[in-house]
Amino acid sequence: AQKVTQAQTEISVVEKEDVTLDCVYETRDTTYYLFWYKQPPSGELVFLIRRNSFDEQNEISGRYSWNFQKSTSSFNFTITASQVVDSAVYFCALSEDGAAGNKLTFGGGTRVLVKP
Amino acid sequence: DAGVTQSPTHLIKTRGQHVTLRCSPISGHKSVSWYQQVLGQGPQFIFQYYEKEERGRGNFPDRFSARQFPNYSSELNVNALLLGDSALYLCASSVGTSDKSETQYFGPGTRLLVL
Repeated sequence: AQKVTQAQTEISVVEKEDVTLDCVYETRDTTYYLFWYKQPPSGELVFLIRRNSFDEQNEISGRYSWNFQKSTSSFNFTITASQVVDSAVYFCALSEDGAAGNKLTFGGGTRVLVKP
Repeated sequence: DAGVTQSPTHLIKTRGQHVTLRCSPISGHKSVSWYQQVLGQGPQFIFQYYEKEERGRGNFPDRFSARQFPNYSSELNVNALLLGDSALYLCASSVGTSDKSETQYFGPGTRLLVL
Protein backbone atom coordinates (compact mmCIF):
# COMPACT_ATOMS: atom_id res chain seq x y z
CA ALA A 1 0.00 0.00 0.00
CA GLN A 2 1.11 3.53 -0.61
CA LYS A 3 2.43 5.57 2.28
CA VAL A 4 3.92 9.01 2.81
CA THR A 5 6.00 9.84 5.89
CA GLN A 6 6.94 13.30 7.08
CA ALA A 7 9.06 12.60 10.12
CA GLN A 8 9.35 16.21 11.25
CA THR A 9 6.16 17.29 12.99
CA GLU A 10 7.28 20.86 13.68
CA ILE A 11 10.24 23.04 12.73
CA SER A 12 10.93 26.45 14.22
CA VAL A 13 13.38 28.85 12.58
CA VAL A 14 14.29 32.51 12.72
CA GLU A 15 13.55 34.63 9.67
CA LYS A 16 16.14 34.36 6.88
CA GLU A 17 17.24 30.89 7.94
CA ASP A 18 16.86 28.03 5.47
CA VAL A 19 14.53 25.17 6.32
CA THR A 20 14.33 21.71 4.74
CA LEU A 21 11.26 19.51 5.01
CA ASP A 22 11.70 15.77 4.57
CA CYS A 23 9.28 13.48 2.73
CA VAL A 24 9.71 9.73 2.27
CA TYR A 25 7.20 7.68 0.30
CA GLU A 26 6.40 4.03 -0.34
CA THR A 27 4.72 2.70 -3.47
CA ARG A 28 4.68 -0.43 -5.60
CA ASP A 29 3.80 1.47 -8.75
CA THR A 30 6.56 2.31 -11.20
CA THR A 31 4.67 5.43 -12.31
CA TYR A 32 3.58 7.84 -9.63
CA TYR A 33 3.36 11.53 -8.89
CA LEU A 34 4.49 13.56 -5.91
CA PHE A 35 3.04 16.83 -4.71
CA TRP A 36 3.71 19.46 -2.07
CA TYR A 37 0.91 21.58 -0.63
CA LYS A 38 0.97 24.46 1.86
CA GLN A 39 -1.81 24.89 4.42
CA PRO A 40 -1.88 28.32 6.08
CA PRO A 41 -4.01 28.90 9.19
CA SER A 42 -7.02 29.65 6.98
CA GLY A 43 -7.14 25.93 6.16
CA GLU A 44 -7.08 25.96 2.36
CA LEU A 45 -4.46 23.70 0.80
CA VAL A 46 -2.33 25.62 -1.69
CA PHE A 47 -0.63 23.65 -4.47
CA LEU A 48 3.15 24.21 -4.69
CA ILE A 49 4.63 21.60 -7.03
CA ARG A 50 4.04 18.32 -8.86
CA ARG A 51 6.79 15.88 -9.86
CA ASN A 52 6.53 12.73 -12.02
CA SER A 53 8.38 9.57 -11.01
CA PHE A 54 10.31 9.51 -14.26
CA ASP A 55 11.60 13.06 -13.91
CA GLU A 56 14.31 13.30 -11.28
CA GLN A 57 15.39 16.82 -12.11
CA ASN A 58 15.49 19.09 -9.12
CA GLU A 59 13.46 22.25 -9.35
CA ILE A 60 13.79 25.77 -8.06
CA SER A 61 11.00 28.32 -7.92
CA GLY A 62 12.03 31.55 -6.25
CA ARG A 63 12.93 30.75 -2.65
CA TYR A 64 11.54 27.21 -2.97
CA SER A 65 13.49 24.21 -4.19
CA TRP A 66 12.77 20.51 -4.37
CA ASN A 67 15.13 17.52 -4.33
CA PHE A 68 13.65 14.29 -5.73
CA GLN A 69 15.75 11.15 -5.16
CA LYS A 70 14.16 7.96 -6.43
CA SER A 71 16.96 5.82 -4.97
CA THR A 72 15.96 6.83 -1.44
CA SER A 73 12.24 7.39 -2.18
CA SER A 74 12.50 10.94 -0.96
CA PHE A 75 11.10 14.25 -2.19
CA ASN A 76 12.46 16.97 0.08
CA PHE A 77 11.49 20.63 0.07
CA THR A 78 13.72 23.55 1.01
CA ILE A 79 12.69 27.11 1.75
CA THR A 80 15.63 29.47 1.39
CA ALA A 81 15.81 32.68 3.42
CA SER A 82 12.55 31.94 5.20
CA GLN A 83 9.99 34.67 5.87
CA VAL A 84 7.23 34.98 8.45
CA VAL A 85 4.66 34.41 5.67
CA ASP A 86 6.12 30.94 5.18
CA SER A 87 4.65 29.89 8.52
CA ALA A 88 2.18 27.11 7.70
CA VAL A 89 1.75 23.35 7.64
CA TYR A 90 3.32 21.70 4.61
CA PHE A 91 2.09 18.41 3.22
CA CYS A 92 3.75 15.97 0.87
CA ALA A 93 1.36 13.76 -1.14
CA LEU A 94 1.50 10.80 -3.53
CA SER A 95 -0.73 9.78 -6.44
CA GLU A 96 -0.29 6.40 -8.12
CA ASP A 97 -1.07 5.34 -11.65
CA GLY A 98 -2.60 2.10 -10.41
CA ALA A 99 -5.00 3.68 -7.96
CA ALA A 100 -8.71 4.07 -8.61
CA GLY A 101 -9.38 7.69 -9.33
CA ASN A 102 -6.70 10.28 -8.66
CA LYS A 103 -6.57 9.69 -4.93
CA LEU A 104 -3.89 11.68 -3.10
CA THR A 105 -2.22 10.00 -0.12
CA PHE A 106 -0.91 12.65 2.25
CA GLY A 107 1.79 12.60 4.87
CA GLY A 108 1.09 13.84 8.37
CA GLY A 109 2.42 17.30 7.60
CA THR A 110 5.23 19.45 8.99
CA ARG A 111 4.37 22.66 10.80
CA VAL A 112 6.86 25.43 10.03
CA LEU A 113 7.06 28.39 12.37
CA VAL A 114 9.18 31.31 11.18
CA LYS A 115 9.92 33.83 13.91
CA PRO A 116 10.80 37.43 13.12
CA ASP B 1 -11.46 33.41 -11.82
CA ALA B 2 -13.13 31.98 -8.75
CA GLY B 3 -11.47 29.08 -7.03
CA VAL B 4 -13.16 26.11 -5.41
CA THR B 5 -15.97 27.22 -3.13
CA GLN B 6 -17.48 25.28 -0.26
CA SER B 7 -20.47 25.84 2.00
CA PRO B 8 -21.07 26.19 4.82
CA THR B 9 -17.75 27.31 6.30
CA HIS B 10 -18.60 26.04 9.78
CA LEU B 11 -21.21 23.64 11.09
CA ILE B 12 -22.15 22.27 14.51
CA LYS B 13 -24.22 19.09 14.75
CA THR B 14 -25.08 16.56 17.42
CA ARG B 15 -24.46 12.84 17.35
CA GLY B 16 -26.89 10.89 15.18
CA GLN B 17 -27.77 13.82 12.96
CA HIS B 18 -27.24 14.08 9.22
CA VAL B 19 -25.12 16.69 7.41
CA THR B 20 -24.79 17.85 3.81
CA LEU B 21 -21.70 19.73 2.61
CA ARG B 22 -21.51 21.47 -0.74
CA CYS B 23 -18.76 22.20 -3.21
CA SER B 24 -18.48 24.11 -6.49
CA PRO B 25 -15.41 23.36 -8.59
CA ILE B 26 -13.28 25.76 -10.56
CA SER B 27 -14.97 26.75 -13.81
CA GLY B 28 -14.07 24.21 -16.51
CA HIS B 29 -13.15 21.48 -14.02
CA LYS B 30 -15.25 18.32 -14.24
CA SER B 31 -13.87 16.28 -11.35
CA VAL B 32 -14.47 16.77 -7.64
CA SER B 33 -12.78 14.92 -4.78
CA TRP B 34 -13.58 14.98 -1.07
CA TYR B 35 -11.11 14.66 1.79
CA GLN B 36 -11.47 14.52 5.56
CA GLN B 37 -8.79 16.18 7.68
CA VAL B 38 -8.87 15.41 11.39
CA LEU B 39 -7.05 17.95 13.56
CA GLY B 40 -3.30 17.41 13.49
CA GLN B 41 -3.33 14.93 10.61
CA GLY B 42 -3.06 14.96 6.84
CA PRO B 43 -6.18 14.83 4.67
CA GLN B 44 -7.72 11.41 3.98
CA PHE B 45 -9.35 10.65 0.63
CA ILE B 46 -13.10 9.96 0.78
CA PHE B 47 -14.45 10.09 -2.81
CA GLN B 48 -13.74 11.25 -6.32
CA TYR B 49 -16.51 12.04 -8.81
CA TYR B 50 -16.25 12.72 -12.52
CA GLU B 51 -19.18 13.33 -14.85
CA LYS B 52 -21.56 12.30 -12.05
CA GLU B 53 -19.89 8.89 -11.68
CA GLU B 54 -17.85 7.73 -8.70
CA ARG B 55 -14.26 7.19 -9.80
CA GLY B 56 -12.68 6.30 -6.50
CA ARG B 57 -13.58 5.67 -2.90
CA GLY B 58 -11.46 5.73 0.23
CA ASN B 59 -11.77 3.61 3.34
CA PHE B 60 -14.85 5.26 4.85
CA PRO B 61 -18.08 3.66 6.08
CA ASP B 62 -21.31 3.64 4.11
CA ARG B 63 -22.55 6.52 6.26
CA PHE B 64 -20.55 8.68 3.88
CA SER B 65 -22.03 9.26 0.43
CA ALA B 66 -21.67 11.83 -2.30
CA ARG B 67 -23.06 12.86 -5.62
CA GLN B 68 -22.18 15.18 -8.46
CA PHE B 69 -24.63 17.31 -10.39
CA PRO B 70 -24.77 18.18 -14.12
CA ASN B 71 -23.07 21.52 -13.39
CA TYR B 72 -20.20 19.51 -11.76
CA SER B 73 -20.92 20.79 -8.25
CA SER B 74 -21.01 18.14 -5.57
CA GLU B 75 -22.53 17.24 -2.22
CA LEU B 76 -21.05 15.13 0.53
CA ASN B 77 -23.55 13.55 2.89
CA VAL B 78 -22.80 11.98 6.24
CA ASN B 79 -25.50 10.10 8.14
CA ALA B 80 -25.66 9.10 11.80
CA LEU B 81 -22.89 11.47 12.82
CA LEU B 82 -20.32 10.31 15.34
CA LEU B 83 -18.02 12.42 17.49
CA GLY B 84 -15.12 11.14 15.38
CA ASP B 85 -16.60 12.76 12.28
CA SER B 86 -15.52 16.15 13.62
CA ALA B 87 -13.01 17.39 11.08
CA LEU B 88 -12.23 19.79 8.28
CA TYR B 89 -13.86 18.53 5.08
CA LEU B 90 -11.97 19.61 1.99
CA CYS B 91 -13.20 19.61 -1.56
CA ALA B 92 -10.75 19.56 -4.47
CA SER B 93 -11.39 20.06 -8.15
CA SER B 94 -9.38 19.01 -11.17
CA VAL B 95 -9.79 19.13 -14.91
CA GLY B 96 -11.03 15.55 -15.03
CA THR B 97 -8.84 13.63 -17.40
CA SER B 98 -7.86 10.09 -16.46
CA ASP B 99 -4.30 11.29 -15.95
CA LYS B 100 -3.21 10.47 -12.40
CA SER B 101 -0.76 13.36 -12.51
CA GLU B 102 -3.61 15.86 -12.53
CA THR B 103 -3.24 18.59 -9.97
CA GLN B 104 -6.09 18.97 -7.52
CA TYR B 105 -7.01 22.45 -6.31
CA PHE B 106 -8.56 22.70 -2.88
CA GLY B 107 -11.30 24.84 -1.43
CA PRO B 108 -11.25 26.48 2.02
CA GLY B 109 -13.06 23.55 3.62
CA THR B 110 -16.03 23.11 5.94
CA ARG B 111 -15.25 22.73 9.63
CA LEU B 112 -17.69 20.25 11.15
CA LEU B 113 -18.02 19.86 14.91
CA VAL B 114 -20.10 16.98 16.24
CA LEU B 115 -21.22 17.30 19.87
